[in-house]
Amino acid sequence: DAGVTQSPTHLIKTRGQQVTLRCSPKSGHDTVSWYQQALGQGPQFIFQYYEEEERQRGNFPDRFSGHQFPNYSSELNVNALLLGDSALYLCASSLRTGLNGYTFGSGTRLTVV
Amino acid sequence: TQLLEQSPQFLSIQEGENLTVYCNSSSVFSSLQWYRQEPGEGPVLLVTVVTGGEVKKLKRLTFQFGDARKDSSLHITAAQPGDTGLYLCAGAFYGGSQGNLIFGKGTKLSVKP
Repeated sequence: DAGVTQSPTHLIKTRGQQVTLRCSPKSGHDTVSWYQQALGQGPQFIFQYYEEEERQRGNFPDRFSGHQFPNYSSELNVNALLLGDSALYLCASSLRTGLNGYTFGSGTRLTVV
Repeated sequence: TQLLEQSPQFLSIQEGENLTVYCNSSSVFSSLQWYRQEPGEGPVLLVTVVTGGEVKKLKRLTFQFGDARKDSSLHITAAQPGDTGLYLCAGAFYGGSQGNLIFGKGTKLSVKP
């Protein structure tokens, strides 16, 4: 049973560029959440997608956007990259309520230079 | 504003010792989850506690949810080097804003042989 799959695993981008990160949720899960984890910090909630719509959003600027596809997979897009966007980006899948916990992927390590 | 405060931030102990990690908040959560994260990996769910006063055991790990559902603790008995990692607590709110997790900054545990 495949867990959450994220791609790519590592990425280096230049300031001002745009990036797209991808996530396939665990089989049976219909909700995808994205988190940003800076070095030495806990994950910070970016947004959550359910039924192909953004349902909740954390305190992140509009440069961060996303999408969910009919097969529940999801993308995270970041425009106009800043040095401060360097972080581990985690995708977590769950059922809608999240009561049974979240399954996280291994993340995408984004470095902005 | 950090909704969840974890303490201690760092902990270095010898194999065989006991330890307790605390997670405190002024907010009431519908549930609280504990995760363990290793370098370069996503967090892995250890336990979810839902009921105030609930105690759950997972081998040498004991988790407790405060009566008021604002705080939690993780106690490890006879720690082993394999317990080394970042321990994260995460609170969840349900109802009007479902499902996103609020993480603490984590407790970095190092168990020396």
